[in-house]
Amino acid sequence: GENVEQHPSTLSVQEGDSAVIKCTYSDSASNYFPWYKQELGKGPQLIIDIRSNVGEKKDQRIAVTLNKTAKHFSLHITETQPEDSAVYFCAASTLNAGGTSYGKLTFGQGTILTVHP
Amino acid sequence: DARVTQTPRHKVTEMGQEVTMRCQPILGHNTVFWYRQTMMQGLELLAYFRNRAPLDDSGMPKDRFSAEMPDATLATLKIQPSEPRDSAVYFCASGLGQGAGQPQHFGDGTRLSIL
Repeated sequence: GENVEQHPSTLSVQEGDSAVIKCTYSDSASNYFPWYKQELGKGPQLIIDIRSNVGEKKDQRIAVTLNKTAKHFSLHITETQPEDSAVYFCAASTLNAGGTSYGKLTFGQGTILTVHP
Repeated sequence: DARVTQTPRHKVTEMGQEVTMRCQPILGHNTVFWYRQTMMQGLELLAYFRNRAPLDDSGMPKDRFSAEMPDATLATLKIQPSEPRDSAVYFCASGLGQGAGQPQHFGDGTRLSIL
C-alpha cells in the first residue's frame, strides 16, 4: 500500500520567515495530495490540495508543489504568523486493490510548526 | 460554514464497557470516514462508507469494533468491549465521493480514555 513520509517532524521559525514542509510518497498511481492543519483540540482542517495534473498551486500565503517524477510534494508558507503554529499533515490518495481510487487517504506523521513572534 | 459534528467530544469509561461514538456528516456528503489518531500511529483509517454502504473496514479490529450508518445523517462507531489500548482521538470525516481526490472534512473528534 501507499506510504507517506513527512519531514521535518518539528519546525521552528521566526514570524515573517518562510516555512517548508516536505513529503514523499511511494505509490506512483496516487493522484491527489491534500494538506491539513490541526490545531490543539481540533480536527484536521484542509488548507490546500493539489492533483497530479498540476505542478503548483497557490492560495495567498500558502503554496504546494508536486514533483510526480520524484514522488514528492511540499507545502510552502510565506510571511509566517504566530497563528500559523499548528501541526501540519500531508496525505496522498490511495488506489484500492481494483485500481479504482475511492478517496482513501494515507497521512504523513505530521510536522509541528512553531512560529515565534 | 457546514461542519461535521461528532458526539461526545470526550468519553472516559472503564475497560470492558461499550462505547458508542456518533457522527453527523455534512449535509449532502455521501462518503464518511472514521479515523483514529494516536501519538504512536498518527492518523489511521478505520472504516469508509459511500452512500451508507461500508466499502473498506480493513483498518478496524473486527472482533470489538463495528461501524454503521443507520441513515444518511448519522454514522456510528462502537467498541465492545473496550480496552485501554483503544484510548485515542477518533475522528469522523465526510466528503463527496465522486471519484479520486475529493476533499475530506473532519469533525473535532471524540477523545476516548479507557481506564
